[in-house]
Amino acid sequence: QIHLMQSEAEVKKPGASVKVSCKASGYSFSSHGFGWVRQAPGQGLEWMGWIGAYDGKTNYAQKMQGRVFMTTDSSTNTAYMELTSLRPDDTAVYFCGRLISGFELYYFDYWGQGTLVTVSS
Amino acid sequence: SYVLTQPPSVSVAPGETAKIPCGGNSIGSKRVNWYQQTPGQAPVLVMYYNNQRASGIPERFSGSNSENTATLTISRVEAGDEADYYCHVWDSSTDHMIFGGGTKLSVL
Repeated sequence: QIHLMQSEAEVKKPGASVKVSCKASGYSFSSHGFGWVRQAPGQGLEWMGWIGAYDGKTNYAQKMQGRVFMTTDSSTNTAYMELTSLRPDDTAVYFCGRLISGFELYYFDYWGQGTLVTVSS
Repeated sequence: SYVLTQPPSVSVAPGETAKIPCGGNSIGSKRVNWYQQTPGQAPVLVMYYNNQRASGIPERFSGSNSENTATLTISRVEAGDEADYYCHVWDSSTDHMIFGGGTKLSVL
């Protein structure tokens, strides 16, 4: 069955970087891209960006431009999201999702369990 | 940028019908998806492309989308339906995804 397994929680200091992983299983890794969504404590879902399946093309939310970097490693079936120059308001649960994309249709059909990133001095 | 507007909360008695609206400018021209999230858990896809139920989602869940409002309808509401529900679209003008602010469904 399809499963996305994310890395463990992280605690980082302001200014540091964090790299969250999302290991996929149960399907052909190269057939789908990945998206990343975060959720601050008590808040809603915020789209961060996605990375395409075939060409690794990325598309980042305007708010994240310059600080977020998404990659994939097909040798380990793992997607990564790195966020740099961390601030306290980056404290959130970060989710990966398997991206379904088509003609003007984009959504996430499977999700990882989430990774809590805490930014605190 | 494109904005999706959801009411913060909707309350309904067990067995009744819940309607969760998602407002957006000409949202009827977009493909709307819906996710359900319970506390401490990852979101779960319940509806995609306006009215297509995701795998394993009961027929009690249905979706519609017209003009400026998309709606997730849950018939014969059960206690287990209590959750936060988020609408979601892809905006072609920016090539970005947008989530609504979420609606907490309370089953009285």
